[in-house]
Amino acid sequence: KQEVTQIPAALSVPEGENLVLNCSFTDSAIYNLQWFRQDPGKGLTSLLLIQSSQREQTSGRLNASLDKSSGRSTLYIAASQPGDSATYLCAVMRDKLVFGAGTILRVKS
Amino acid sequence: GAGVSQSPSNKVTEKGKDVELRCDPISGHTALYWYRQSLGQGLEFLIYFQGNSAPDKSGLPSDRFSAERTGGSVSTLTIQRTQQEDSAVYLCASSLGTKVGNTIYFGEGSWLTVV
Repeated sequence: KQEVTQIPAALSVPEGENLVLNCSFTDSAIYNLQWFRQDPGKGLTSLLLIQSSQREQTSGRLNASLDKSSGRSTLYIAASQPGDSATYLCAVMRDKLVFGAGTILRVKS
Repeated sequence: GAGVSQSPSNKVTEKGKDVELRCDPISGHTALYWYRQSLGQGLEFLIYFQGNSAPDKSGLPSDRFSAERTGGSVSTLTIQRTQQEDSAVYLCASSLGTKVGNTIYFGEGSWLTVV
């Protein structure tokens, strides 16, 4: 059974810092890994999708990496801003998504 | 439509009543998923539909829960004889498929409160 773990559970940083969110999964037989953002009271917004054959994807200040063999992914956020404050969810996909519990990020101004 | 649309956005119901939650996926998306997020909990898979294949119902928590997808588009999640523990956000998502490279897009959710 696939299990996804995210570390840290919560993170508070001052504005402008670069930060890394970690995700690990137990079964490397995945099609994709997807990072989402969830704001309070809202649905999920897709940030990045990495296919199983890819190593990384970038979108603006976000960079996600994937090491499928070791079952790890990281989400790097450069020059963090207060608007980045949200819960970040990692999910792996093989037919359906299996989610981690998320990292609650607070960026202080 | 432009995104995944869910209705109602909020529903308060009395314990024991049945509720129906509706999901309109992105046009052309053949895969449709239902997830549940309870307060302070992670996302729990309920069911997914892919094209004309039999749905994967492995996540439905009890036989009070059922879902259907008509015409390969709109889906309805039905909860019969609701219980207080059914209170949660029910999230629907869709994608072009379930294989490599298909981004999954979520709706804003239906917030269900059972009193």
